[in-house]
Amino acid sequence: NAGVMQNPRHLVRRRGQEARLRCSPMKGHSHVYWYRQLPEEGLKFMVYLQKENIIDESGMPKERFSAEFPKEGPSILRIQQVVRGDSAAYFCASSPPVVYGEQFFGPGTRLTVL
Amino acid sequence: GESVGLHLPTLSVQEGDNSIINCAYSNSASDYFIWYKQESGKGPQFIIDIRSNMDKRQGQRVTVLLNKTVKHLSLQIAATQPGDSAVYFCAENGETSGSRLTFGEGTQLTVNP
Repeated sequence: NAGVMQNPRHLVRRRGQEARLRCSPMKGHSHVYWYRQLPEEGLKFMVYLQKENIIDESGMPKERFSAEFPKEGPSILRIQQVVRGDSAAYFCASSPPVVYGEQFFGPGTRLTVL
Repeated sequence: GESVGLHLPTLSVQEGDNSIINCAYSNSASDYFIWYKQESGKGPQFIIDIRSNMDKRQGQRVTVLLNKTVKHLSLQIAATQPGDSAVYFCAENGETSGSRLTFGEGTQLTVNP
């Protein structure tokens, strides 16, 4: 049973470009979460999605960031017009359809903005 | 002004010793608590969890203690091994706080052989 998959593992972008990060949840999991981790800091919640629905986006920056989890295919975190401050590790987690509980994390995508 | 990077609290122990890692949480409504282990360059890995109706739970070589009165969580690792070296985070969520996990600041554990 494959775990949470994320790709790419490393992504380098120049300022002003777009970054697309993909996440495939564990089999049977319908809830997806995105977190961001700056160097030597804890993970900070960004967004929580279910299939075709954004449930909680209270941690998403108001501009340039968007997320989706379509009916078919992986969840996508999209960052438009990246700036150096977007450089971080972005982790995706998934869980079964429960109100709260354990989340299973992927290996992360490390975004570097030059 | 100049920004200063954050530095994780650190704990250094000798191989074979017991380790205790502490975490304070802020949300008294949290129902569920998890300890995650994060090795360099990897995602968080589940270690052990505990629900708010318990004050202690044991796993293999690990024990989690929950003190809801002072909103404190601890992770005890018995007979610490070099492979335990990592950053350890506590996290919480619950029915009223929502599904999102709120993470603590993390502790860097170093095990010396």
